[in-house]
Amino acid sequence: DADVTQTPRNRITKTGKRIMLECSQTKGHDRMYWYRQDPGLGLRLIYYSFDVKDINKGEISDGYSVSRQAQAKFSLSLESAIPNQTALYFCATSDLAGSSYNEQFFGPGTRLTVL
Amino acid sequence: AQSVTQLGSHVSVSEGALVLLRCNYSSSVPPYLFWYVQYPNQGLQLLLKYTTGATLVKGINGFEAEFKKSETSFHLTKPSAHMSDAAEYFCAVSNNNNDMRFGAGTRLTVKP
Repeated sequence: DADVTQTPRNRITKTGKRIMLECSQTKGHDRMYWYRQDPGLGLRLIYYSFDVKDINKGEISDGYSVSRQAQAKFSLSLESAIPNQTALYFCATSDLAGSSYNEQFFGPGTRLTVL
Repeated sequence: AQSVTQLGSHVSVSEGALVLLRCNYSSSVPPYLFWYVQYPNQGLQLLLKYTTGATLVKGINGFEAEFKKSETSFHLTKPSAHMSDAAEYFCAVSNNNNDMRFGAGTRLTVKP
């Protein structure tokens, strides 16, 4: 089973709709992240969370919100979707311990299209 | 804040040829450097990383990268390309893990 899962994998929606993307992890990591990927721009950080009570804005948080429901779950919401939020969205996790220190582990991505 | 520049959005090599993907970084503190690979319809997978110590880092699938502080570079190489290496490659820099910055990516094509 995958360590970091994202649902849905694909979503098509209309302008103005509220959308929630979900991320779950079984790695036991405290830190979780949401990125968006656009062609030619790489990945840009939207929000990150170091534990359940800690939420931080990233590079491009406008138009997005997040919820850390539990250590294992981190959701990204688009309150009123707009076409330029069409992108590939990735969830990632990391931990400070052991040999994987400072490495981020990525989910498979959610492809979102806003019409 | 740190940043990454990947030179060349597309690189094409023949099977068996040397792969060289270029990455230059900017960081005001000693950086952590990473190369990730993304296969079609998949998430990012770590190829290798530099934190401290040896500047030549070996990763999975025969890839390696060398941290050159004087050149602020972390180029990715593989002596002999395989068809299965076709993917998109991302260089990233971080100083404390909550601020990882990615390059724009380089798409590698391997010709038979």
